[in-house]
Amino acid sequence: GAGVSQSPRYKVAKRGQDVALRCDPISGHVSLFWYQQALGQGPEFLTYFQNEAQLDKSGLPSDRFFAERPEGSVSTLKIQRTQQEDSAVYLCASSFLAGEWETQYFGPGTRLLVL
Amino acid sequence: AQTVTQSQPEMSVQEAETVTLSCTYDTSESDYYLFWYKQPPSRQMILVIRQEAYKQQNATENRFSVNFQKAAKSFSLKISDSQLGDAAMYFCAYRSADKLIFGTGTRLQVFP
Repeated sequence: GAGVSQSPRYKVAKRGQDVALRCDPISGHVSLFWYQQALGQGPEFLTYFQNEAQLDKSGLPSDRFFAERPEGSVSTLKIQRTQQEDSAVYLCASSFLAGEWETQYFGPGTRLLVL
Repeated sequence: AQTVTQSQPEMSVQEAETVTLSCTYDTSESDYYLFWYKQPPSRQMILVIRQEAYKQQNATENRFSVNFQKAAKSFSLKISDSQLGDAAMYFCAYRSADKLIFGTGTRLQVFP
């Protein structure tokens, strides 16, 4: 069975451009998470969806970051007016249910470089 | 707020030997979950092992085991009979409500 997939795998953007990063979770997974991983650091939480509902967006660093999951499956993370500090790997993860015990399955990430 | 600390940026081990990766955390909660994730170079992060805080027995998954010391807020990972495929970044993580809180990781090198 397919795992979590993300596209594009690599994205180079000029400062000020808008970007959209896509996540396809494992089919049937209720929960979806976005994390940001800066070079040499551990992933940091951005936002969490349960089905189509965005239940926690406390980790989004600014109002330039926006995430959606309109039909409860595919999710898109959008970054407007990109800045150099947005350069990082963006990881998506999904889990079957919503419990804290649930294993989060991670995608390969999208590496964003803002020039 | 919860924090996770991994004080060993890099570790190395000889193939077939045993290595222990350290992790400490800070929390005021009494019930929580702890995880170790492995991130191979250019590959997806995968779960290695997990521990429920209310369980005193240390979790074990084949060659991987943990030493969970709740009072000391310590959660170390022991890898026995190390293999070349174990080379990766290892992240300790604490589950707080919706999110995982990760440490900064330990890069493990395995030498033949």
